[in-house]
Amino acid sequence: DTEVTQTPKHLVMGMTNKKSLKCEQHMGHRAMYWYKQKAKKPPELMFVYSYEKLSINESVPSRFSPECPNSSLLNLHLHALQPEDSALYLCASSQPTGVRGNQPQHFGDGTRLSIL
Amino acid sequence: GIQVEQSPPDLILQEGANSTLRCNFSDSVNNLQWFHQNPWGQLINLFYIPSGTKQNGRLSATTVATERYSLLYISSSQTTDSGVYFCAVGRYTGTASKLTFGTGTRLQVTL
Repeated sequence: DTEVTQTPKHLVMGMTNKKSLKCEQHMGHRAMYWYKQKAKKPPELMFVYSYEKLSINESVPSRFSPECPNSSLLNLHLHALQPEDSALYLCASSQPTGVRGNQPQHFGDGTRLSIL
Repeated sequence: GIQVEQSPPDLILQEGANSTLRCNFSDSVNNLQWFHQNPWGQLINLFYIPSGTKQNGRLSATTVATERYSLLYISSSQTTDSGVYFCAVGRYTGTASKLTFGTGTRLQVTL
């Protein structure tokens, strides 16, 4: 789905670096999600924001820090990552539950992250 | 948490063949989606199908929520259908929906 835009597409960083992943959607959705996908595995939910408030944190280490500055933007701040954090990071958006009935999640193309 | 199993795990087809992919889930769900992940990692929405049957070109899907399974049918397969097919089930938590992905079916379509 190209209606959810993620930048950058690729990111290589050292374990001491600080970087951010960005996700933007203009579909008027009020729920946004971060997923992590390791090679040859299914995506796994990390965080959910609903109406710009953190709704779900799936026990993600604090070296990952999400931020939702407004209803269209979702960031994932990265600090002191480990090599095992190398993965594809996917952003998604949808309407929150109860808004015009059930709604699907729409995914961006992901950021492929490599930790050296 | 909810368990989502897909079968078969791997499938090799000749171009033009038909196939059926299955998704079983362990508990009641609020929604269900089928995705195709292409070799470049893009996750493409195929169907949003919490119940019933839908068709889109050569693809169709059926979900029987009361029996906790969904099927994805691919007819007249093409090489561009290659990739991994995921089903994902959603359960509401407050105002958000938690999506749990299945184990995936890796499809290779050969000439």
